[in-house]
Amino acid sequence: QEQLVESGGGLVKPGGSLRLSCRASGFAFSDSYMNWIRQTPGKGLEWISHINSMGTTTYYADSVKGRFTVSRDNAKNSLYLQMDSLRDEDTAIYYCTRGVASDYWGQGALVTVS
Amino acid sequence: DIVMTQSPDSLAVSLGERATINCKSSQSVLYGSNDRNYLGWYQQKPGQSPKLLIYWASTREPGVPDRFSGSGSGTDFTLTINNLQAEDVAVYYCQQYFSLPYSFGQGTKLEIK
Repeated sequence: QEQLVESGGGLVKPGGSLRLSCRASGFAFSDSYMNWIRQTPGKGLEWISHINSMGTTTYYADSVKGRFTVSRDNAKNSLYLQMDSLRDEDTAIYYCTRGVASDYWGQGALVTVS
Repeated sequence: DIVMTQSPDSLAVSLGERATINCKSSQSVLYGSNDRNYLGWYQQKPGQSPKLLIYWASTREPGVPDRFSGSGSGTDFTLTINNLQAEDVAVYYCQQYFSLPYSFGQGTKLEIK
């Protein structure tokens, strides 16, 4: 069964850093394009980043560009999001998803910046 | 950037009736070379992660009941839920994956009347 499990969320002060992880199982992770999408009560769903299957191409939303870094380790079936210079407005639930049209979603990791 | 706008923001429909949710993109999401609309619909039930219902604007994900259907092309799209069931109460989102940054509509909250 296909599964994505995020970890690493928590409470951090403004200006701080946090690293999210997403462990994949049940599908060919190394062949999959992956995304990070976040959700806030005020702004709904916001796509913030993606990475191609080899990890050679990445894209970011303007709201996180220069502060967040996406990476992956295909040998560990894992996706990462390094979040630096965190702001209050980065408070959200962060989901990892698979594919251009996100057909698999994790349960989400809550990040609170306060 | 492509802006996605859904209407209405919320609606209440009686059990067994039809619910219709609209999604409009600020520019076409139809890719001419393959004639595909890069548009998906998601359902998010309370306390759960979003779930992909429909991709390419009209193709149902495996396991999605056939009372859910998607239609439209270019800039105007519709999600139709026939024979509304209690378990369909959720927030529904459209998303374009035609061009970066991929963007979502603001969501439509569906309730039972």
